[in-house]
Amino acid sequence: SQQGEEDPQALSIQEGENATMNCSYKTSINNLQWYRQNSGRGLVHLILIRSNEREKHSGRLRVTLDTSKKSSSLLITASRAADTASYFCATDEVWDNDMRFGAGTRLTVKP
Amino acid sequence: DSGVTQTPKHLITATGQRVTLRCSPRSGDLSVYWYQQSLDQGLQFLIQYYNGEERAKGNILERFSAQQFPDLHSELNLSSLELGDSALYFCASSSRQGGDEQYFGPGTRLTVT
Repeated sequence: SQQGEEDPQALSIQEGENATMNCSYKTSINNLQWYRQNSGRGLVHLILIRSNEREKHSGRLRVTLDTSKKSSSLLITASRAADTASYFCATDEVWDNDMRFGAGTRLTVKP
Repeated sequence: DSGVTQTPKHLITATGQRVTLRCSPRSGDLSVYWYQQSLDQGLQFLIQYYNGEERAKGNILERFSAQQFPDLHSELNLSSLELGDSALYFCASSSRQGGDEQYFGPGTRLTVT
């Protein structure tokens, strides 16, 4: 079963705009990770945020984590057409050994 | 390039058949994960091996099995194939037992006809 649930399922924006994707989860986690997948390709790790961290940056990416609300958000600033992909959150649960991936947000950035 | 290799890239087979998918992890990584991705089910975790031992099991059917060999490469065996097994199968590797970032291979696209 899936742990993380991304919201929205699909997002369409213009180049230059910011894109925000959200992830909610149900149980206690050690960390939460965001991955990107171009159509039909393997997932690429973007960023990992630990349960004791609240915010993390990597280039144009900003991730926040609110463990009290069991939610995370991924912000992509100044989006580019090349950012078009599906974005998944994955949670490393405290009480389970496996990583749980959400269903993903399909982001389309129009040039 | 993630450093994880998977073979074959594409596989077309008939219902009832058995196939083997192969994965070589990144150099130095001890964990191998297998995932199934289909349009209706999303990305499903199947199984994880760490240094040759099974560490975690997800939604893996009894018709499916996997193993990790002493050289750390892994194989996923799918038997008595059904139409619904058609999917992308990904292998990923990581350096630790779990919880760290995973490096995904390019996947094997399985089509069962």
